[in-house]
Formats: sequence, C-alpha cells, structure tokens
Amino acid sequence: ETGVTQTPRHLVMGMTNKKSLKCEQHLGHNAMYWYKQSAKKPLELMFVYSLEERVENNSVPSRFSPECPNSSHLFLHLHTLQPEDSALYLCASSPGRNTEAFFGQGTRLTVV
Amino acid sequence: QQQVKQSPQSLIVQKGGIPIINCAYENTAFDYFPWYQQFPGKGPALLIAIRPDVSEKKEGRFTISFNKSAKQFSLHIMDSQPGDSATYFCAASIGNFGNEKLTFGTGTRLTIIP
Repeated sequence: ETGVTQTPRHLVMGMTNKKSLKCEQHLGHNAMYWYKQSAKKPLELMFVYSLEERVENNSVPSRFSPECPNSSHLFLHLHTLQPEDSALYLCASSPGRNTEAFFGQGTRLTVV
Repeated sequence: QQQVKQSPQSLIVQKGGIPIINCAYENTAFDYFPWYQQFPGKGPALLIAIRPDVSEKKEGRFTISFNKSAKQFSLHIMDSQPGDSATYFCAASIGNFGNEKLTFGTGTRLTIIP
C-alpha cells in the first residue's frame, strides 16, 4: 500500500445527489492532488493543493468542489453530476510538488 | 498542445518475451519522462523515470530507451512475467514545474501469458 487511502472505493449516485470523496495520507506530505481517470484517455489533473492552499485548478466544472481542511485530508465534493463524469477518481500526495507522487486506489464513480 | 502519444493500446506477450511500449512527444521543453504501472483496482505507481541527458536507464528488468532527436522514449520489460500484467502509462513534464505539469499518455494494457 502507498499510504494514501481513499473512501469510498465505489460510489453510485444520481444526477441530483450530493456526495463527497475522501482522501487521507499520514505520510507527512505537503502536496495533494485529485486526478480523473477515464477509459482510453490520459490521466487528467483536476486540482492541486500545496500546504493546504489550492495552487492548480485545471478548468474543472464547478460541480466538482475540492476541500483541504488540513495537510492530511483532501475531499472532493460532488453535486449535480453528469453521466460523463463517471470515472475513476484518484487522489495522490507527494512530499513536495517536484517529488514522486503516491496514488491512492481510487474511487470508482458511476453517475446514473 | 502538450501531448504524449502512447502505443500500442494493448499488448499480449508470452512469458519471457520482451514487451515494448512506445511514447512520442512534441514539446521539446519536456525534461522528465516517468513510467507508471497500474494494477487492476490500484492507483498508478512510479516504475522508472529518465531525464534527457541519458539515452538509456535500467532498473531491474525494466529499461527506458530515450531518443531525444526523435522525441521518443520507450519501455522494455526483460524476461517478462505474468505478474507484470498491468496497465503502463508514460508521462512527460517540465521538471521544475512538478507533478501538476505531468502530461500522461493514454496507457497500454499489457498481458503476459504463461
């Protein structure tokens, strides 16, 4: 295991629901990331937090809302999603922004 | 557009064979080229990485070959084993800008048959 834990592992939600994905690391890392992984597409970076401050937001729709309450936890709040948002959502952390990122196992999200 | 093109999409190789996965890039400013390995149900994990000052890097059975003039790099797996069956992603970035500037390929699903 990498030390990056994501919950839940699987999530099915309707388009009108609100849900949250959680990521936790106790590695002492200062940077945390959300990625979207869709079949046959490159991994897409969504958000980057460094020392609890958001430093990157790759034009992600506002129906995805990240939160980093402390250096060990990262959330992705979801609301009014679309079926095309169905994907594997990966969290990662790294000691610094230029060092190796360690990925969690991901949350498989299905929007119905 | 910053893009990394990866091929093939899938690959089946007999045990002991040498699968080769290729990637090509356009941005000559890229100076860090990692490969990631992802097993089913797991997140990607860094496997091996190379910088353009060398043409080859080996770590165990895994080798990266780098051709700066052709803007191509490839992953070779020597003496492949069924346990190497996974999806492999190449990536490229401009080193100083860190992880948030990694551009990933689309992945290659590798199957090693006994």
